Amino acid sequence: EAQVTQNPRYLITVTGKKLTVTCSQNMNHEYMSWYRQDPGLGLRQIYYSMNVEVTDKGDVPEGYKVSRKEKRNFPLILESPSPNQTSLYFCASSVMTGNTGELFFGEGSRLTVL
Amino acid sequence: GENVEQHPSTLSVQEGDSAVIKCTYSDSASNYFPWYKQELGKGPQLIIDIRSNVGEKKDQRIAVTLNKTAKHFSLHITETQPEDSAVYFCAPYQGGKLIFGQGTELSVKP
Repeated sequence: EAQVTQNPRYLITVTGKKLTVTCSQNMNHEYMSWYRQDPGLGLRQIYYSMNVEVTDKGDVPEGYKVSRKEKRNFPLILESPSPNQTSLYFCASSVMTGNTGELFFGEGSRLTVL
Repeated sequence: GENVEQHPSTLSVQEGDSAVIKCTYSDSASNYFPWYKQELGKGPQLIIDIRSNVGEKKDQRIAVTLNKTAKHFSLHITETQPEDSAVYFCAPYQGGKLIFGQGTELSVKP
C-alpha cells in the first residue's frame, strides 16, 4: 500500500529535550516536505527536499532541522524544543519536484512541548 | 506577497444541500489550484484540482471553478452527505510552492 508513515503519532516532551520525528514514504517520490498545522493558520511549510541531499527552508524553519540521506526518509529534528513548537506536524511527499503534483500526507504527529 | 484567503472558516449545512467554499489568491502567475480534504485524525488528501487553462472541473458531486481575472477559485459540493464533514483547504501554487489557506470546517447535519 502506497503511504507516508510518521512516527511517533503522539509525543509529550519538555523544553530543551532533543527529539526526532521520522517520516518514510514507499512511493519512490523525489519531493518531500514537512508542515505544521495550527488553528486558524492552515498548514505552513517548515522544510522541503527536492531530492536526496537537497533540502531547503520553507516558511517557518526556525528551530527545526531536516536531513535527506535516503530517498524514502525525511526526518524532522527539533534540537531544543520550545513550547511554541507545540503543534500538529505533517510529512508529505510528491512525485513532481515542481510541486504542482498531488501531495501525499502522513497521518500526522501531535507534539506537545511543556 | 503570497496571500491566500479562504472563506468561510466554518460552514454548516443540512444533508442534501450544497456547500461552496471560496479561495482568493494574490499571485496572478498561479497556474495550479488544488483542494484538499482533511478528515478527523488524518492527513489532508487531494480531492480535486484545476489548472489555469480550464474554468471548471467536475468529479461526481464535487466541482472546482476558477476565475483567473478575479483571482479566486471555489469548491462546490452538491447533495452533501455526513461523510463530507471535514476540514477543506485550498492550496494555490504561488511563488514556487503550494500555499495553504486557513481551512474551512464543513459540518453536514443529517
